[in-house]
Amino acid sequence: GEDVEQSLFLSVREGDSSVINCTYTDSSSTYLYWYKQEPGAGLQLLTYIFSNMDMKQDQRLTVLLNKKDKHLSLRIADTQTGDSAIYFCAESIRYGGSQGNLIFGKGTKLSVKP
Amino acid sequence: KAGVTQTPRYLIKTRGQQVTLSCSPISGHRSVSWYQQTPGQGLQFLFEYFSETQRNKGNFPGRFSGRQFSNSRSEMNVSTLELGDSALYLCASSPDRVGQPQHFGDGTRLSIL
Repeated sequence: GEDVEQSLFLSVREGDSSVINCTYTDSSSTYLYWYKQEPGAGLQLLTYIFSNMDMKQDQRLTVLLNKKDKHLSLRIADTQTGDSAIYFCAESIRYGGSQGNLIFGKGTKLSVKP
Repeated sequence: KAGVTQTPRYLIKTRGQQVTLSCSPISGHRSVSWYQQTPGQGLQFLFEYFSETQRNKGNFPGRFSGRQFSNSRSEMNVSTLELGDSALYLCASSPDRVGQPQHFGDGTRLSIL
């Protein structure tokens, strides 16, 4: 079945780059997403990439997709203490005409040390 | 534009009771999906509604049900509550056009005593 894997923890120093990695299993996934969750809050959409793209950049965020290896990464440049949160990778599984449901990884807890 | 609104934010119930959670999608969004988040199982898809019809369903027992109204607002209901139903329930909406992502509300925190 579909599965999304992420490492559970990442710790970086303020000002460094953070790289969060994710692997997924379903080759029919059309879109892959990164969401951020802060304590007590819901999921905030950060960015997403269509499966026929290799890279997408959005300000401090860079998403890289290796479709052959089913590997997705999120790079955060100049990481700030406000970036401390849990980051979820998700793939979209479409069924017929449905928008489909999202399959999420367990989340990577990013800790940024000043 | 207002985001996805979920009410209530917090609920405390006891085993055996039932509960109804509400979700108002972003204006113009016609697809509404529900997810359950727990520390053990993570984020799991419950169901998706579009045009008042359930279009997709996850692997949850029949105690979990939902509906969507003509204004796209959605409710989910859980009957005969169990301790394991304690979770954060998240609602997401999307325009249901290819390439448009789902946007989430802040969730309803349900605690079962």
